[in-house]
Amino acid sequence: QVQLVQSGAEVRRPGSSVRISCKTSGYSFNAHDIHWVRQAPGQGLEWVGSFNPYEGVTAYAERFQDRVTMTGDTSTTTVYMDLTSLASEDTAVYFCARLSAYSFDFWGQGTRVTVSS
Amino acid sequence: SYVLTQPPSVSVAPGQTARITCGGNKIGRQGLHWYQQKPGQAPVLVVYDDYYRPSGIPERFSGSKSGNTATLTIDRVDAGDEADYYCQVWDTGSDPWVFGGGTKLTVL
Repeated sequence: QVQLVQSGAEVRRPGSSVRISCKTSGYSFNAHDIHWVRQAPGQGLEWVGSFNPYEGVTAYAERFQDRVTMTGDTSTTTVYMDLTSLASEDTAVYFCARLSAYSFDFWGQGTRVTVSS
Repeated sequence: SYVLTQPPSVSVAPGQTARITCGGNKIGRQGLHWYQQKPGQAPVLVVYDDYYRPSGIPERFSGSKSGNTATLTIDRVDAGDEADYYCQVWDTGSDPWVFGGGTKLTVL
């Protein structure tokens, strides 16, 4: 069965960076883009960006363009998201999600990132 | 960037029908998807491409569109349906993956 399993919660200082992983299984890794969506406390869903495992192509939301990098490892079928220059406003739960056509059919369990001094 | 508008909240009594709307000026030309998110959990896709249900989603959940408004309808609502519901589309703008602001469904 399809599974997306994310790394555990992180606590970071302002100005630092964080890396979150999303281990996929149960399907052909190269066949689906992986997207990242975040949710600040009490807020809605916000698209962060995407990674295409087959071509290695990325696409990022404008507001994260200069701070986010998404990569993948085909040997471990894992996708990574690096976010730099963290601020308190980056405190959120970050989800990875598998894209199927134009909707997200499977999601990771979420990774809580807390940015605090 | 493109905006999808949802009511912040909808309340319904058990056994009744809940209708959650999603408005956008290009919805008529876009595939529209709905997600259910319960507290502390990841979103779950409940309707895709306007009205299709993924495997395992009860028939009580249905989607429709009219003009620039999409509607998620939940028949015979029970306490287990209490959740936040989000609509989503793909747009051609600079940030193409767009979510509505979410609607909190309360079962009275």
